[in-house]
Amino acid sequence: AQSVSQHNHHVILSEAASLELGCNYSYGGTVNLFWYVQYPGQHLQLLLKYFSGDPLVKGIKGFEAEFIKSKFSFNLRKPSVQWSDTAEYFCAVTPGANNNDMRFGAGTRLTVKP
Amino acid sequence: DGGITQSPKYLFRKEGQNVTLSCEQNLNHDAMYWYRQDPGQGLRLIYYSQIVNDFQKGDIAEGYSVSREKKESFPLTVTSAQKNPTAFYLCASSAQGLPRYEQYFGPGTRLTVT
Repeated sequence: AQSVSQHNHHVILSEAASLELGCNYSYGGTVNLFWYVQYPGQHLQLLLKYFSGDPLVKGIKGFEAEFIKSKFSFNLRKPSVQWSDTAEYFCAVTPGANNNDMRFGAGTRLTVKP
Repeated sequence: DGGITQSPKYLFRKEGQNVTLSCEQNLNHDAMYWYRQDPGQGLRLIYYSQIVNDFQKGDIAEGYSVSREKKESFPLTVTSAQKNPTAFYLCASSAQGLPRYEQYFGPGTRLTVT
């Protein structure tokens, strides 16, 4: 079955540490890739998305993600996290032709200690 | 302000009762979705609708029903047949026509059934 895997369930970092959250998917064809964030008490918001072109995608709040096709990965990175980045992060994938079939990873909870 | 509203934020019901969750959007989006979010499982698709008066089952449709009589509204009914209804329910919408549009999410409804 097609799936999305986020290997880190809970990550705890100190402020200013670098962040990398893993995301792997199992679709074989063209994909659209997304990272969503859910801050405490808030609704899911889009951080960034990749459809085609440059595999290094810049998003909001200093986040970026790199699409590595050969590894079926779309890892999320931030060079220096802040306490306000504490949230749950979801990787999501849609097959190239069907936006209705969005698959989400289980999510990674990030806690940033001040 | 354009967006998606879900009401109520918290909902409590007794076992055996049907309950309807509201979702309204003013983004003029054609497609709407219902997801269920459980801890450690990410988001799972219950139902989606690409157009008024049409909807399709997602991965976990059993025990749920929907209607789409108006473009801006997509209510979800959690029936007594749903074996484990206590969860966080998220409504989303997206533009249609191309697969590259991200989904926009509402604030969610937390349903507790006792």
